Amino acid sequence: DTGVSQDPRHKITKRGQNVTFRCDPISEHNRLYWYRQTLGQGPEFLTYFQNEAQLEKSRLLSDRFSAERPKGSFSTLEIQRTEQGDSAMYLCASSPVRVPNTGELFFGEGSRLTVL
Amino acid sequence: SQKIEQNSEALNIQEGKTATLTCNYTNYSPAYLQWYRQDPGRGPVFLLLIRENEKEKRKERLKVTFDTTLKQSLFHITASQPADSATYLCAPDMGRRALTFGSGTRLQVQP
Repeated sequence: DTGVSQDPRHKITKRGQNVTFRCDPISEHNRLYWYRQTLGQGPEFLTYFQNEAQLEKSRLLSDRFSAERPKGSFSTLEIQRTEQGDSAMYLCASSPVRVPNTGELFFGEGSRLTVL
Repeated sequence: SQKIEQNSEALNIQEGKTATLTCNYTNYSPAYLQWYRQDPGRGPVFLLLIRENEKEKRKERLKVTFDTTLKQSLFHITASQPADSATYLCAPDMGRRALTFGSGTRLQVQP
Protein backbone atom coordinates (compact mmCIF):
# COMPACT_ATOMS: atom_id res chain seq x y z
CA ASP A 1 0.00 0.00 0.00
CA THR A 2 1.57 3.27 -1.06
CA GLY A 3 -1.01 5.61 0.46
CA VAL A 4 -0.68 7.87 3.51
CA SER A 5 -0.36 5.83 6.68
CA GLN A 6 -1.30 7.00 10.17
CA ASP A 7 -0.68 5.35 13.51
CA PRO A 8 -2.38 4.65 15.81
CA ARG A 9 -5.85 4.61 14.29
CA HIS A 10 -7.47 4.98 17.68
CA LYS A 11 -6.15 6.33 20.96
CA ILE A 12 -8.00 6.60 24.26
CA THR A 13 -6.20 8.53 26.96
CA LYS A 14 -6.88 10.20 30.25
CA ARG A 15 -6.89 13.94 30.60
CA GLY A 16 -3.42 15.27 31.29
CA GLN A 17 -1.56 12.52 29.46
CA ASN A 18 0.64 13.11 26.42
CA VAL A 19 -0.11 11.46 23.09
CA THR A 20 1.84 11.20 19.86
CA PHE A 21 0.57 10.43 16.38
CA ARG A 22 2.69 9.37 13.46
CA CYS A 23 2.12 9.98 9.75
CA ASP A 24 3.97 8.37 6.86
CA PRO A 25 3.17 10.30 3.67
CA ILE A 26 3.38 9.08 0.12
CA SER A 27 7.11 8.79 -0.45
CA GLU A 28 7.59 11.30 -3.27
CA HIS A 29 5.36 13.96 -1.69
CA ASN A 30 7.22 16.98 -0.34
CA ARG A 31 4.26 18.58 1.39
CA LEU A 32 2.66 17.27 4.56
CA TYR A 33 -0.32 18.65 6.39
CA TRP A 34 -2.04 17.96 9.70
CA TYR A 35 -5.73 18.66 10.10
CA ARG A 36 -8.17 18.13 12.95
CA GLN A 37 -11.78 17.16 12.43
CA THR A 38 -14.65 17.03 14.91
CA LEU A 39 -18.07 15.52 14.32
CA GLY A 40 -20.12 17.37 11.76
CA GLN A 41 -17.29 19.69 10.77
CA GLY A 42 -14.84 19.77 7.92
CA PRO A 43 -11.13 19.26 8.48
CA GLU A 44 -9.46 22.25 10.18
CA PHE A 45 -5.88 23.06 9.25
CA LEU A 46 -3.28 22.68 11.99
CA THR A 47 0.16 22.79 10.39
CA TYR A 48 2.07 22.38 7.13
CA PHE A 49 5.54 21.12 6.24
CA GLN A 50 7.46 21.37 3.03
CA ASN A 51 10.18 18.77 3.33
CA GLU A 52 11.46 19.16 6.91
CA ALA A 53 10.54 22.84 7.25
CA GLN A 54 7.38 23.71 9.18
CA LEU A 55 6.15 26.64 7.13
CA GLU A 56 2.80 27.39 8.69
CA LYS A 57 0.95 26.79 11.94
CA SER A 58 -2.67 27.55 12.64
CA ARG A 59 -3.61 29.58 15.68
CA LEU A 60 -5.54 26.42 16.61
CA LEU A 61 -2.17 24.85 17.36
CA SER A 62 -1.70 25.84 20.99
CA ASP A 63 1.61 25.50 22.79
CA ARG A 64 0.53 22.03 23.93
CA PHE A 65 0.76 20.86 20.33
CA SER A 66 4.01 20.25 18.53
CA ALA A 67 4.72 18.71 15.16
CA GLU A 68 7.94 17.58 13.57
CA ARG A 69 9.13 16.16 10.30
CA PRO A 70 12.78 15.59 11.09
CA LYS A 71 14.06 14.12 7.85
CA GLY A 72 11.40 15.35 5.50
CA SER A 73 9.74 11.95 5.49
CA PHE A 74 7.43 10.87 8.31
CA SER A 75 5.91 13.36 10.73
CA THR A 76 4.77 13.25 14.34
CA LEU A 77 2.13 15.31 16.09
CA GLU A 78 2.38 15.42 19.86
CA ILE A 79 -0.25 16.75 22.21
CA GLN A 80 0.89 17.39 25.75
CA ARG A 81 -1.38 17.55 28.80
CA THR A 82 -4.40 16.46 26.79
CA GLU A 83 -7.78 18.05 27.46
CA GLN A 84 -11.24 16.71 26.68
CA GLY A 85 -11.55 19.35 23.98
CA ASP A 86 -8.68 17.69 22.12
CA SER A 87 -10.92 14.72 21.33
CA ALA A 88 -11.12 14.64 17.55
CA MET A 89 -9.93 12.88 14.43
CA TYR A 90 -6.40 13.95 13.51
CA LEU A 91 -5.86 13.69 9.78
CA CYS A 92 -2.59 13.74 7.92
CA ALA A 93 -2.38 14.54 4.23
CA SER A 94 0.41 14.83 1.71
CA SER A 95 0.77 16.32 -1.73
CA PRO A 96 3.49 16.69 -4.32
CA VAL A 97 4.93 20.07 -5.26
CA ARG A 98 3.23 21.27 -8.42
CA VAL A 99 3.33 24.56 -10.24
CA PRO A 100 0.85 26.09 -9.95
CA ASN A 101 -0.04 24.68 -6.55
CA THR A 102 -3.39 23.12 -7.27
CA GLY A 103 -2.47 19.61 -6.23
CA GLU A 104 -5.07 17.58 -4.47
CA LEU A 105 -4.44 16.28 -0.98
CA PHE A 106 -4.01 12.59 -0.27
CA PHE A 107 -5.35 11.85 3.19
CA GLY A 108 -4.62 9.06 5.58
CA GLU A 109 -7.39 7.29 7.46
CA GLY A 110 -6.86 9.44 10.51
CA SER A 111 -6.06 8.91 14.17
CA ARG A 112 -9.08 9.18 16.40
CA LEU A 113 -8.30 10.58 19.84
CA THR A 114 -10.65 10.23 22.80
CA VAL A 115 -9.68 12.05 25.97
CA LEU A 116 -11.53 10.84 29.06
CA SER B 1 -13.69 37.28 6.94
CA GLN B 2 -13.56 34.42 4.47
CA LYS B 3 -16.35 31.88 4.76
CA ILE B 4 -17.20 28.61 3.09
CA GLU B 5 -20.80 27.50 3.37
CA GLN B 6 -22.21 24.08 2.63
CA ASN B 7 -25.71 22.97 3.54
CA SER B 8 -25.37 21.37 6.95
CA GLU B 9 -28.65 19.52 6.57
CA ALA B 10 -28.40 16.06 5.09
CA LEU B 11 -29.65 15.59 1.55
CA ASN B 12 -31.89 12.56 1.10
CA ILE B 13 -32.72 11.43 -2.42
CA GLN B 14 -34.01 8.34 -4.17
CA GLU B 15 -31.73 6.06 -6.11
CA GLY B 16 -31.49 7.04 -9.75
CA LYS B 17 -32.13 10.73 -9.12
CA THR B 18 -29.59 13.53 -9.48
CA ALA B 19 -28.07 14.86 -6.27
CA THR B 20 -27.03 18.51 -6.25
CA LEU B 21 -24.84 19.90 -3.49
CA THR B 22 -23.96 23.56 -3.05
CA CYS B 23 -20.80 25.30 -1.93
CA ASN B 24 -20.81 29.07 -1.40
CA TYR B 25 -17.84 31.15 -0.42
CA THR B 26 -17.33 34.79 0.51
CA ASN B 27 -14.64 37.45 0.53
CA TYR B 28 -12.28 35.76 -1.86
CA SER B 29 -11.92 34.82 -5.51
CA PRO B 30 -10.50 31.29 -5.65
CA ALA B 31 -8.25 30.27 -8.49
CA TYR B 32 -9.66 26.75 -8.16
CA LEU B 33 -12.00 24.68 -6.06
CA GLN B 34 -11.80 21.03 -5.06
CA TRP B 35 -14.43 18.50 -4.01
CA TYR B 36 -13.77 15.55 -1.71
CA ARG B 37 -15.78 12.58 -0.54
CA GLN B 38 -15.57 11.36 3.04
CA ASP B 39 -17.02 8.13 4.39
CA PRO B 40 -17.65 7.74 8.15
CA GLY B 41 -14.42 7.15 10.07
CA ARG B 42 -12.27 7.56 6.95
CA GLY B 43 -10.10 10.31 5.53
CA PRO B 44 -11.41 12.49 2.68
CA VAL B 45 -10.78 11.34 -0.88
CA PHE B 46 -10.22 13.77 -3.74
CA LEU B 47 -12.86 13.75 -6.46
CA LEU B 48 -12.56 16.75 -8.76
CA LEU B 49 -10.79 20.07 -9.20
CA ILE B 50 -12.22 22.94 -11.23
CA ARG B 51 -10.33 26.10 -12.11
CA GLU B 52 -11.68 29.64 -12.24
CA ASN B 53 -11.61 29.70 -16.02
CA GLU B 54 -13.64 26.48 -16.27
CA LYS B 55 -17.39 26.68 -16.07
CA GLU B 56 -17.97 22.96 -15.79
CA LYS B 57 -16.02 19.75 -15.20
CA ARG B 58 -17.21 16.18 -15.56
CA LYS B 59 -15.94 12.82 -14.37
CA GLU B 60 -18.13 9.81 -15.01
CA ARG B 61 -21.40 10.51 -13.15
CA LEU B 62 -20.00 13.59 -11.42
CA LYS B 63 -20.33 17.16 -12.65
CA VAL B 64 -19.02 20.30 -11.00
CA THR B 65 -19.80 23.87 -11.95
CA PHE B 66 -18.00 27.01 -10.81
CA ASP B 67 -19.72 30.38 -10.96
CA THR B 68 -17.21 33.03 -9.94
CA THR B 69 -19.85 35.77 -10.16
CA LEU B 70 -22.20 34.03 -7.74
CA LYS B 71 -19.22 32.73 -5.72
CA GLN B 72 -20.72 29.28 -5.86
CA SER B 73 -19.90 25.77 -6.95
CA LEU B 74 -22.49 23.08 -7.58
CA PHE B 75 -21.66 19.38 -7.35
CA HIS B 76 -23.96 16.98 -9.15
CA ILE B 77 -24.14 13.20 -9.02
CA THR B 78 -26.35 11.79 -11.75
CA ALA B 79 -28.06 8.39 -11.57
CA SER B 80 -27.25 8.30 -7.87
CA GLN B 81 -26.67 4.99 -6.12
CA PRO B 82 -26.77 4.00 -2.43
CA ALA B 83 -22.98 3.63 -2.65
CA ASP B 84 -22.80 7.39 -3.27
CA SER B 85 -24.00 7.99 0.30
CA ALA B 86 -21.24 9.92 2.06
CA THR B 87 -20.28 13.41 3.15
CA TYR B 88 -19.06 15.69 0.40
CA LEU B 89 -16.62 18.48 1.23
CA CYS B 90 -15.78 21.47 -0.89
CA ALA B 91 -12.43 23.23 -0.61
CA PRO B 92 -12.01 26.48 -2.51
CA ASP B 93 -8.54 27.93 -2.77
CA MET B 94 -8.58 30.78 -0.24
CA GLY B 95 -5.08 32.01 -0.98
CA ARG B 96 -3.45 30.07 1.83
CA ARG B 97 -0.79 27.41 1.76
CA ALA B 98 -3.23 24.77 2.98
CA LEU B 99 -6.70 23.97 1.72
CA THR B 100 -9.64 25.28 3.71
CA PHE B 101 -12.64 22.96 3.83
CA GLY B 102 -16.32 23.55 4.20
CA SER B 103 -18.22 21.65 6.86
CA GLY B 104 -19.56 19.20 4.30
CA THR B 105 -22.99 18.01 3.25
CA ARG B 106 -24.10 14.47 4.03
CA LEU B 107 -25.80 12.71 1.13
CA GLN B 108 -28.07 9.74 1.75
CA VAL B 109 -29.28 7.83 -1.31
CA GLN B 110 -32.26 5.63 -0.57
CA PRO B 111 -32.66 2.37 -2.54
